[in-house]
Amino acid sequence: GQNIDQPTEMTATEGAIVQINCTYQTSGFNGLFWYQQHAGEAPTFLSYNVLDGLEEKGRFSSFLSRSKGYSYLLLKELQMKDSASYLCAVRDETGKLIFGQGTTLQVKP
Amino acid sequence: ETGVTQTPRHLVMGMTNKKSLKCEQHLGHNAMYWYKQSAKKPLELMFVYSLEERVENNSVPSRFSPECPNSSHLFLHLHTLQPEDSALYLCASSQVLRTEYEQYFGPGTRLTVT
Repeated sequence: GQNIDQPTEMTATEGAIVQINCTYQTSGFNGLFWYQQHAGEAPTFLSYNVLDGLEEKGRFSSFLSRSKGYSYLLLKELQMKDSASYLCAVRDETGKLIFGQGTTLQVKP
Repeated sequence: ETGVTQTPRHLVMGMTNKKSLKCEQHLGHNAMYWYKQSAKKPLELMFVYSLEERVENNSVPSRFSPECPNSSHLFLHLHTLQPEDSALYLCASSQVLRTEYEQYFGPGTRLTVT
């Protein structure tokens, strides 16, 4: 079956670095997406990985290891506005996006 | 208007009511999607439209009926819903179906079935 696992909740301090992990087991793999969703708002696209390695975009980086079925999202220099849910999603062999349940990150002063 | 818009933002309906959710995308995209987001659960794909044709129906009960009159508009018609259908309903669009292009989401309609 299709399965995406992420921690349910994480807490970190303003200015620190946090890593949100995602492991997946899907029927086929056509890329992995990370989305950010603030409470009551639409999910917004953060990153896309289809090849192994690290993709960096400002304070956010995303890593993928296809052989391990593993990805992480790294957030540096945390700000209070980074408090949100972070959704990991894998595009399977049919092209469908399979989402994890999301990780709620709380950034504390 | 830019991006993906959804109306209404909040909806309360009884189990015998009929209502419709509306989604509009202003991005020139060719694919549109309906998702259901329940508390503590992953986003669930409900329907996919590509070039106004339904290409996927993810075992959704018939009390949910989608309609895509053109590539910019998507509706979800609701009738005789159950309390467990209460959730956030998100619409999304992407440039092309099934590619590396990301999906752009609307703000959602918070539905409460009483």
